[in-house]
Amino acid sequence: DAKTTQPTSMDCAEGRAANLPCNHSTISGNEYVYWYRQIHSQGPQYIIHGLKNNETNEMASLIITEDRKSSTLILPHATLRDTAVYYCIVNKGGSQGNLIFGKGTKLSVKP
Amino acid sequence: GAVVSQHPSRVICKSGTSVKIECRSLDFQATTMFWYRQFPKQSLMLMATSNEGSKATYEQGVEKDKFLINHASLTLSTLTVTSAHPEDSSFYICSTPSLRDTQPAQYFGPGTRLLVL
Repeated sequence: DAKTTQPTSMDCAEGRAANLPCNHSTISGNEYVYWYRQIHSQGPQYIIHGLKNNETNEMASLIITEDRKSSTLILPHATLRDTAVYYCIVNKGGSQGNLIFGKGTKLSVKP
Repeated sequence: GAVVSQHPSRVICKSGTSVKIECRSLDFQATTMFWYRQFPKQSLMLMATSNEGSKATYEQGVEKDKFLINHASLTLSTLTVTSAHPEDSSFYICSTPSLRDTQPAQYFGPGTRLLVL
């Protein structure tokens, strides 16, 4: 079973920030939080990951709570092309086994 | 980051035939590759772990004699669906793990859509 819980779906207006929450209350100290997304009929696309510090890249920001039991992925200016299923996954990283995908959050960006 | 390709991108076959799907790591030597399967409106499920030069490791409930995996080189793993049936119709995705914690945990291929008639 996936070690994370996410809302089933979310809507966001185009141009606005999309904030996608994830709970991972059983995360262990050496596990990272990874975010991937999957656009229809494509392979998963890596977005961002972090251990305990907040992270930002050209795609998104990742905010991890101090206790590491939850995190939020932020797409600062959502576009229609950001419509996808977003997966939050905890993993030890590198070649440390397969990624366990939950059901993710279906984000619909609307004009 | 690493680039992973799959071929073919989609395939339609008749029931009872075998289908081979290739997964290539284009700029990265992968001793391990993962094969996932995704049914419509469901999430990715790991089928097997492909190991270069040795036998693949299959997840519980995945028939190793039906889903043959060959990992003959550091850049190529193949999945052969033998005697395919309509219930094998699915989206098959491969991935390679990264070697560094600063990189994505895995790099995914674009997937192969299999439709068995």
